[in-house]
Amino acid sequence: KQEVTQIPAALSVPEGENLVLNCSFTDSAIYNLQWFRQDPGKGLTSLLLIQSSQREQTSGRLNASLDKSSGRSTLYIAASQPGDSATYLCAVRPGYGGATNKLIFGTGTLLAVQP
Amino acid sequence: NAGVTQTPKFQVLKTGQSMTLQCAQDMNHNSMYWYRQDPGMGLRLIYYSASEGTTDKGEVPNGYNVSRLNKREFSLRLESAAPSQTSVYFCASSTGGAGQNIQYFGAGTRLSVL
Repeated sequence: KQEVTQIPAALSVPEGENLVLNCSFTDSAIYNLQWFRQDPGKGLTSLLLIQSSQREQTSGRLNASLDKSSGRSTLYIAASQPGDSATYLCAVRPGYGGATNKLIFGTGTLLAVQP
Repeated sequence: NAGVTQTPKFQVLKTGQSMTLQCAQDMNHNSMYWYRQDPGMGLRLIYYSASEGTTDKGEVPNGYNVSRLNKREFSLRLESAAPSQTSVYFCASSTGGAGQNIQYFGAGTRLSVL
């Protein structure tokens, strides 16, 4: 059974710092991996999606990497800002069972960027 | 730019009461999903609909039923609410099929069962 883990559960950094959020998964048979952002009391917003054949994706100050063989992904946030404060979740789309659209989520990392 | 709309935003029920959570999307997506989010558990899939006219169980379907009313709407029904169903419920939609299939989420329904 695929399991997704995110460590740490919470992280506090001063403004301007570069930081890395970690995501690990137990089964390397994935179709893609997504990183989401969730603000308090709100829904999820997709940040980056990495296909299983890709190694990384970039959007602005965000860079996500994928190492399928080791079951790991990282989300790098450059020059963090207070507006980056949110919960970040990763989710994998399993590659088994046909063309399944199901996502399996990690429990998230709560990020606080201090001004 | 409505995207995925969920109603209601908040609800308090007594044990044994029933209710239906509504979800509608205006992006012409084929696939729709219902998740619940609990502290320390992440999001867990309750039911999903790969396309209009089809529904399938997810990870935690017990105590719930769904209806894919048409391509736009996907409702979640609690027939006899239990305190264990206190949670935040999210609806999502995606294009479905092969490809990136990014899921777009609604703002959630916060449900308390007393």
